Amino acid sequence: DVKVTQSSRYLVKRTGEKVFLECVQDMDHENMFWYRQDPGLGLRLIYFSYDVKMKEKGDIPEGYSVSREKKERFSLILESASTNQTSMYLCASSRSVIGEQYFGPGTRLTVT
Amino acid sequence: EDQVTQSPEALRLQEGESSSLNCSYTVSGLRGLFWYRQDPGKGPEFLFTLYSAGEEKEKERLKATLTKKESFLHITAPKPEDSATYLCAVQGSSNFNKFYFGSGTKLNVKP
Repeated sequence: DVKVTQSSRYLVKRTGEKVFLECVQDMDHENMFWYRQDPGLGLRLIYFSYDVKMKEKGDIPEGYSVSREKKERFSLILESASTNQTSMYLCASSRSVIGEQYFGPGTRLTVT
Repeated sequence: EDQVTQSPEALRLQEGESSSLNCSYTVSGLRGLFWYRQDPGKGPEFLFTLYSAGEEKEKERLKATLTKKESFLHITAPKPEDSATYLCAVQGSSNFNKFYFGSGTKLNVKP
C-alpha cells in the first residue's frame, strides 16, 4: 500500500512565524503535491514537484515556498504565517504524470 | 476551462437504500477521472480511476461508471460506515499535473 505521511496532524502558530510542513512518501513516486482545503473552496493546488529539486507553481503559490531535496520528501514552507493561511494542508504523491494521486492524512494549521 | 460539478451536495440515505452520486465534467482531452472518499478531518482516500467512456470499476458496495460527460458512483445497499464525503477529480491533456476537483457529495447513511 502507498503510504504518505505528514509531520503533524495539528499545528498552531503565531502570525509572522516561519512554518515548515513535512511530507514523506514510501513508494518511490516521482510526483508530489501540496494542496490546501477550505470549506466552500475545495482543494486548491499550491505547488507540485515532478523530480528532486524541481518545483512548479500551482494555483495559489503566494506566501508559500517548497523544497524537495530527496525524492521521498516534499516540504511546504510558510515564510511568514498569516491568519488567512489557517487551513487543512494535504500532501499527495503519484507514480507518473498521468494517474491517481495518493494523499496523506493532512495537517490542520491554525495561525493566530 | 476544465471543471467538475458534483451533485447532490448532500445526500441522506437509510441503510440499505441504494443511490447514485453524479460527477459532471468538462475537460479538454480526458486523461483520467478519479473518485475519492474523505472522512472528516482526514485526507482523501483513493477509490477508483476511470480512463474512457464505458469503463466501470467496482469495490465492495461501490461501482463507478463513466460516460463522455459524467461519471456516477453507485452505492448499493449502503451501510452507516459508508458515510463520508465523496470527491471526484479529472485530469486533462492541457495540463497533466493538475487535478480539477469537484466540491464533493456529503453522504450520510442512517442505520
